[in-house]
Amino acid sequence: GQNIDQPTEMTATEGAIVQINCTYQTSGFNGLFWYQQHAGEAPTFLSYNVLDGLEEKGRFSSFLSRSKGYSYLLLKELQMKDSASYLCAAIDSNYQLIWGAGTKLIIKP
Amino acid sequence: GAVVSQHPSWVICKSGTSVKIECRSLDFQATTMFWYRQFPKQSLMLMATSNEGSKATYEQGVEKDKFLINHASLTLSTLTVTSAHPEDSSFYICSARGGESSYEQYFGPGTRLTVT
Repeated sequence: GQNIDQPTEMTATEGAIVQINCTYQTSGFNGLFWYQQHAGEAPTFLSYNVLDGLEEKGRFSSFLSRSKGYSYLLLKELQMKDSASYLCAAIDSNYQLIWGAGTKLIIKP
Repeated sequence: GAVVSQHPSWVICKSGTSVKIECRSLDFQATTMFWYRQFPKQSLMLMATSNEGSKATYEQGVEKDKFLINHASLTLSTLTVTSAHPEDSSFYICSARGGESSYEQYFGPGTRLTVT
């Protein structure tokens, strides 16, 4: 079956760095998305990886290893507004998004 | 960037009535639209996938006669919750795929439905 695993909840301190991991098992693979979702709002796009390696975009970076079925989202210089859920989603061979349950990130002062 | 709108943003209705939610892609043609439901503190749950001009494909456990989806054009899809009950109260989010990227889904802002 198809499966996405990510931690349920993480806590970090303002100004610090946090890494949110995601492992996936899908029928075929056409890339992986990270989305941010604040409570009561729709998800917003953060990153898309289809090749191995690190993609950096400001304070956020996303890494992919296709051979390991693994990705992580790295958030630097954490701000209170980064408190949100972070959703990992992999694209299968039918170009459907397979969603993880999301990681709730709590930022403490 | 690609923009998706939803209307209404929130709605309160009485048990037994029907509610229609609209999802529009404003600046691109959406070949495929997705409808999700999200209960508090839970992840997105895909309800159905619809392609313009064809019948929607519903996920297992989603009643197609209760959640009517119409994807009449490349910019509009509607979800009608028929004979709504309090347990249908949820956050309904649509997304659209198309535009420059074949894979990315662009999300609408969501519709919060409360059934009393």
